[in-house]
Amino acid sequence: DSGVTQTPKHLITATGQRVTLRCSPRSGDLSVYWYQQSLDQGLQFLIQYYNGEERAKGNILERFSAQQFPDLHSELNLSSLELGDSALYFCASSRGGGGSYEQYFGPGTRLTVT
Amino acid sequence: AQKVTQAQTEISVVEKEDVTLDCVYETRDTTYYLFWYKQPPSGELVFLIRRNSFDEQNEISGRYSWNFQKSTSSFNFTITASQVVDSAVYFCALSEPQHDAGNMLTFGGGTRLMVKP
Repeated sequence: DSGVTQTPKHLITATGQRVTLRCSPRSGDLSVYWYQQSLDQGLQFLIQYYNGEERAKGNILERFSAQQFPDLHSELNLSSLELGDSALYFCASSRGGGGSYEQYFGPGTRLTVT
Repeated sequence: AQKVTQAQTEISVVEKEDVTLDCVYETRDTTYYLFWYKQPPSGELVFLIRRNSFDEQNEISGRYSWNFQKSTSSFNFTITASQVVDSAVYFCALSEPQHDAGNMLTFGGGTRLMVKP
């Protein structure tokens, strides 16, 4: 158990809908990351927050947005969902915001868009 | 741009065999970090090791060992005396921090290891 929690574990929704994925980092970690894992794209970095501020951005679609709250938990919002958004979404956390820190991953949220 | 290549998509071994998972990376930075993660069938990603670019010393942890060679841009992972519980997908990843500008991991495509009894 990494100490990173994600809810829900599974999510099934229809095209065009909007969902919110939630992540709580390990105790003491200030940085939160979101990754998408799909069969065709592999594991891809989406976005990083550090102590409430956006720190780095990957190939995150405009339909996707995220935020980190004062209690350091984070939410990833996915809107106008398409079939291709079906994937496993991971949250990770680390002590600091720089690259020297290892990231610890949560169990993931499996999103299925029908 | 940074890139990680794991050329072996799938490896199958019999229990107690040794197995090496290859990882080759590309980066223009002199300071970078390399990682290995394990993804068992249950799906979570488990951190195994972090290596910085200035430390080429090989590391051993139980049955696991890592060989970092800057000259060939490789960071290979060896499991000695493999066990069925080692069956998983293993990912190599690279981080190129620029000051404290952020920390995105670039992952390789993963190697699926199947250890048969």
